[in-house]
Amino acid sequence: DAGVTQSPTHLIKTRGQHVTLRCSPISGHKSVSWYQQVLGQGPQFIFQYYEKEERGRGNFPDRFSARQFPNYSSELNVNALLLGDSALYLCASSFSQVTSNTGELFFGEGSRLTVL
Amino acid sequence: KQEVTQIPAALSVPEGENLVLNCSFTDSAIYNLQWFRQDPGKGLTSLLLIQSSQREQTSGRLNASLDKSSGRSTLYIAASQPGDSATYLCAVGGQFYFGTGTSLTVIP
Repeated sequence: DAGVTQSPTHLIKTRGQHVTLRCSPISGHKSVSWYQQVLGQGPQFIFQYYEKEERGRGNFPDRFSARQFPNYSSELNVNALLLGDSALYLCASSFSQVTSNTGELFFGEGSRLTVL
Repeated sequence: KQEVTQIPAALSVPEGENLVLNCSFTDSAIYNLQWFRQDPGKGLTSLLLIQSSQREQTSGRLNASLDKSSGRSTLYIAASQPGDSATYLCAVGGQFYFGTGTSLTVIP
């Protein structure tokens, strides 16, 4: 079975542009979470979606938004890109039906965003 | 807010040595704790998940323990190998707060 897949793997944008990152969860998983990992740091929680509804949001500005589709895949959108948005964006899926407990997380390989 | 700390930040050991990685957290009201490994530039690979009601989990040469009352978890790696070289991250759930990781180098 395929694991969590993310696209694109690498991308370069300039300040002020917009970016869309995509994630397909493991088959059967209904929860998708997004994380930002800056070089040398641990991942920071951005969003969690379960059954197409937002179940959690981290401390990120409104420039960050996400959605989940009926097939449980997800998109992360970032508007008005800043240099500080350069990071590895990780998507994780889980099976858990408990909204506040994501259960075991399985991660994709990430999308490396560079903002110039 | 949950704070997760991992010590040491970096560790270098000779091949074959047993080692312990530490993870501490400030809020003991956690659902579970998960250990991951991350190779440079890659995503996270799940190693072990410990539910809040469990004290430890084992997988092969890895053993993870959880002491909620003291806010600590340890990851024990037996008979280390060069292929174990990576960054090891712990995360506490609900919505998973991560530590900054321990960078492990196993010297052949």
